[in-house]
Amino acid sequence: AQKVTQAQTEISVVEKEDVTLDCVYETRDTTYYLFWYKQPPSGELVFLIRRNSFDEQNEISGRYSWNFQKSTSSFNFTITASQVVDSAVYFCALSEAYNNNDMRFGAGTRLTVKP
Amino acid sequence: DAGITQSPRHKVTETGTPVTLRCHQTENHRYMYWYRQDPGHGLRLIHYSYGVKDTDKGEVSDGYSVSRSKTEDFLLTLESATSSQTSVYFCAISVETGNYGYTFGSGTRLTVV
Repeated sequence: AQKVTQAQTEISVVEKEDVTLDCVYETRDTTYYLFWYKQPPSGELVFLIRRNSFDEQNEISGRYSWNFQKSTSSFNFTITASQVVDSAVYFCALSEAYNNNDMRFGAGTRLTVKP
Repeated sequence: DAGITQSPRHKVTETGTPVTLRCHQTENHRYMYWYRQDPGHGLRLIHYSYGVKDTDKGEVSDGYSVSRSKTEDFLLTLESATSSQTSVYFCAISVETGNYGYTFGSGTRLTVV
């Protein structure tokens, strides 16, 4: 079965620092989709990005950027100039094309941004 | 934003009692999911539905059942609650399977004492 590993359990940075959250995945499918979700202290889960396995272009959205590398099975998330509001738990997830109702999540990385 | 609500938001129940959690959507989405969130495990799929009366098991389905008699409602039942089922439960909906990402409800915090 597919698997997602987020090795960083907790990260703490000071405001304005850049921070990268790591995500490594395992799948035997050639077609799959990768996601990042944010869970702020309020508890809801917020969709951030979806990337399919055929699109290795890096994505940038404001202070957020994502680096997808199939060669290393990684889909890392970087926050530039972090802010206190970025404090949250971030989840990486994987959905396979042929098992597309069983999205697998990593254990999450808790990011704390201190003022 | 998609309309998805979970009820109750919090519940404390005793070991051995049945418990039903409700997920209601107003988006007419075909796919609905129940996940549980536990420290160190992220979110794990319990059951999902791909239409009225069409459901299937997920990774951690033991001790849970589901029903979907209407498009808008997806019920999760703990047949006989155990302390290991203390968790936060999230419902999610999707336009077309998990490949398109989910919209999540606000979660239900369940404590089994």
